[in-house]
Amino acid sequence: QVQLVESGGGVVQPGESLRLSCAASGFTLSNFAMHWVRQAPGHRPQWVASVRFDGTTEYYADSVKGRLTISRDIARNSLYLQMKSLIAEDTAVYYCAKGKSPYADTFSSAFDSWGWGTLVTVSS
Amino acid sequence: EILLTQSPATLSLSPGERATLSCRATQSVSNSLAWYQQKPGQSPRLLIYDASNRATGIPDRFSGSGSGTDFTLSISSLEPEDFALYYCHQHKKWPLTFGGGTNVEIK
Repeated sequence: QVQLVESGGGVVQPGESLRLSCAASGFTLSNFAMHWVRQAPGHRPQWVASVRFDGTTEYYADSVKGRLTISRDIARNSLYLQMKSLIAEDTAVYYCAKGKSPYADTFSSAFDSWGWGTLVTVSS
Repeated sequence: EILLTQSPATLSLSPGERATLSCRATQSVSNSLAWYQQKPGQSPRLLIYDASNRATGIPDRFSGSGSGTDFTLSISSLEPEDFALYYCHQHKKWPLTFGGGTNVEIK
């Protein structure tokens, strides 16, 4: 069955960098759009970034553009989120999520599987 | 940006009662609307996709309806495990957005 396992979260100071990983199993990463969604404590989920199923296009929320980069390693069936110039507002649980439909446009389907998340805390 | 407004913020009901949750968008999202359930300490779980289709393994007491700007999630008869937070989510237009949530609590 589909499983997504995030790792790499932790406590960092403002301005520092962090790299999150999401190990996928039970499906082939290259067939599905993949997404990062974050959720600050007590807040609604917030979409962060997406990558098209074929890896040709990335999309970012305005609040993270230029600071966060989504990527993937097909051989390792893994998704990544490189985070730099972190600010306090980036503090959240970060989830990776899988698009529901294979070979579909990036925003054409809901997120049918989510990982358990990894907590990123940005604090001085 | 498409804003999603969910109402009510809190719904206090007893097991066995019917729950009706609303999600309204500031512009049409066609049927690109999903509903998720989230329990404390857990990640969101997909319940409904494309406004009215139940995701795999979701009981038929959950149903979704609507299109355009107005959507409804209904739970026909609440089970103890249904008391949770529910979010709607539009994936029609960038940036993708989520509603503020409805907390279904035990009365």
